[in-house]
Amino acid sequence: DAMVIQNPRYQVTQFGKPVTLSCSQTLNHNVMYWYQQKSSQAPKLLFHYYDKDFNNEADTPDNFQSRRPNTSFCFLDIRSPGLGDAAMYLCATSRSGTGDAYEQYFGPGTRLTVT
Amino acid sequence: AQSVAQPEDQVNVAEGNPLTVKCTYSVSGNPYLFWYVQYPNRGLQFLLKYITGDNLVKGSYGFEAEFNKSQTSFHLKKPSALVSDSALYFCAVRDISSGSARQLTFGSGTQLTVLP
Repeated sequence: DAMVIQNPRYQVTQFGKPVTLSCSQTLNHNVMYWYQQKSSQAPKLLFHYYDKDFNNEADTPDNFQSRRPNTSFCFLDIRSPGLGDAAMYLCATSRSGTGDAYEQYFGPGTRLTVT
Repeated sequence: AQSVAQPEDQVNVAEGNPLTVKCTYSVSGNPYLFWYVQYPNRGLQFLLKYITGDNLVKGSYGFEAEFNKSQTSFHLKKPSALVSDSALYFCAVRDISSGSARQLTFGSGTQLTVLP
């Protein structure tokens, strides 16, 4: 089945130790998103790629970076995780076209713990 | 600017009874509206969307939602609730006239509990 895959599902890292979360998709969607979700709150958009074009949200900390080497893969890099970065990180994809009426498809998420 | 409100943090309903999860929105132009469901430790799952046309939208698992432009609402409904419907529900809006056309704004979520 076509889907959005996130690895790992659970990640533990130490305070200040860089960590990378990965996302892959078999949907061939041209838009990929990274969200941060804390404690069953609304997902917060960090950034998205429209094809290769990177779009950062204004309030996303510089500590968060992203890479999209090809259509299928997208990575979230946290350069120096703090305790406040502990959260669920959700990857999503969508098609894009006139009016952007397309829904987003979410992966299962990676739960990040910072010790 | 676009925003969405889910006025109820928690909704409890007995199995077999109808359920409603409320959502109101604010956009400067015309909205695209979405409902997603999230089960514990899982990603969000798309249920249904309103783009244009018929105000009553039918989606997955027997859910439906009614778009009401005058009340700026998009309430999620199901005629007969199941225990397995217990989950966290998010309403989301996109303002199609916005420059950030791809950005979804999510509501704060409503925890639905269906009691056996």
